[in-house]
Amino acid sequence: KAGVTQTPRYLIKTRGQQVTLSCSPISGHRSVSWYQQTPGQGLQFLFEYFSETQRNKGNFPGRFSGRQFSNSRSEMNVSTLELGDSALYLCASRSTGGSKNIQYFGAGTRLSVL
Amino acid sequence: AQKITQTQPGMFVQEKEAVTLDCTYDTSDQSYGLFWYKQPSSGEMIFLIYQGSYDEQNATEGRYSLNFQKARKSANLVISASQLGDSAMYFCAFGSGNTGKLIFGQGTTLQVKP
Repeated sequence: KAGVTQTPRYLIKTRGQQVTLSCSPISGHRSVSWYQQTPGQGLQFLFEYFSETQRNKGNFPGRFSGRQFSNSRSEMNVSTLELGDSALYLCASRSTGGSKNIQYFGAGTRLSVL
Repeated sequence: AQKITQTQPGMFVQEKEAVTLDCTYDTSDQSYGLFWYKQPSSGEMIFLIYQGSYDEQNATEGRYSLNFQKARKSANLVISASQLGDSAMYFCAFGSGNTGKLIFGQGTTLQVKP
């Protein structure tokens, strides 16, 4: 099975712009979660999507949004970029059947805001 | 609120020796899971091992084992026979119930010396 695929791998944007990141989950996985990783704050949960609905949301401003499509692919959007949005953005998918609830991560998108 | 603590920012181990990475957690939940992930310098988060709160035996996956002490709320990762390729950042994570939200510790950087 192919793993979680995130595109693009690297992005450079300027303050005030917006950006869209994409995540294709493992085949059959319907849940996709997004995380932000920075040296100062570590790994923080952004949100989770399941069956095209947001199920959980972390403590991030409304500039961070996401969506999920019927094929379970997910996108994350950040509007009005700030310097502090520079980070590694990781997405993870999981199968909601079974008890282990393991999330499998993609390679991440490294966003630099100048 | 749940909290995960990894008290070792950096660790060194000699090749072929065993090493223990510490992780403690704080929760009032009864049903939860504890996860360990490895993050090489490339950025991808690689799942290593899972322990459920109701599992009576410690989890093992190849050279990885989890020393789970529920009463002490600790879930330490033991890597046996360290290899040079084990040099990476290691994260302990907590997941409650059946949510797609993981709470991560600050991470431990492991360096394996030849």
